[in-house]
Amino acid sequence: DAGVIQSPRHEVTEMGQEVTLRCKPISGHNSLFWYRQTMMRGLELLIYFNNNVPIDDSGMPEDRFSAKMPNASFSTLKIQPSEPRDSAVYFCAIRDREAFFGQGTRLTVV
Amino acid sequence: GQSLEQPSEVTAVEGAIVQINCTYQTSGFYGLSWYQQHDGGAPTFLSYNALDGLEETGRFSSFLSRSDSYGYLLLQELQMKDSASYFCAVQNQGGKLIFGQGTELSVKP
Repeated sequence: DAGVIQSPRHEVTEMGQEVTLRCKPISGHNSLFWYRQTMMRGLELLIYFNNNVPIDDSGMPEDRFSAKMPNASFSTLKIQPSEPRDSAVYFCAIRDREAFFGQGTRLTVV
Repeated sequence: GQSLEQPSEVTAVEGAIVQINCTYQTSGFYGLSWYQQHDGGAPTFLSYNALDGLEETGRFSSFLSRSDSYGYLLLQELQMKDSASYFCAVQNQGGKLIFGQGTELSVKP
């Protein structure tokens, strides 16, 4: 099973608050991606890991964003402090030949 | 850097055939893939090409020309449920997977 579970599914928070998004590949995986999707910017790659090591974080918008992958079965994306422009759907995906996406976290920062 | 170009929207009628083109620029090209996304859902994998030529999966086919940095997704016998956004994505040899802006397909009765 190549499923990915993301939590929470929806998050509404006030500007300035810390937000933590979680991703759990069901069967553990070494290659993991975080994407952000908005109408204006489409599906942007934020960061990806291989063997739990961040390979490319050039898409992380600024220092307010950080991501970790302590093991093959868990990753987090943290925004601190959050801003209204961070409102988007955040997807986690794992990949072999094809990428399997979680259902996403819809983040709204007010 | 990497960039992809695809049309923003396409409209077709049920039963028709539609082709969605994708041109890309990337270093260390490894493969081109296609994903479908319905409103409110997650992108789901459709097809993958690493070598030149046509890959067929049921009603969907995907084509790649590495020399032209070009590919397309062909959808045949269109159905209303095919209305969705379609993304091409390039993978480079470092494992990076970058998506195009997506093509919104509307299938009309």
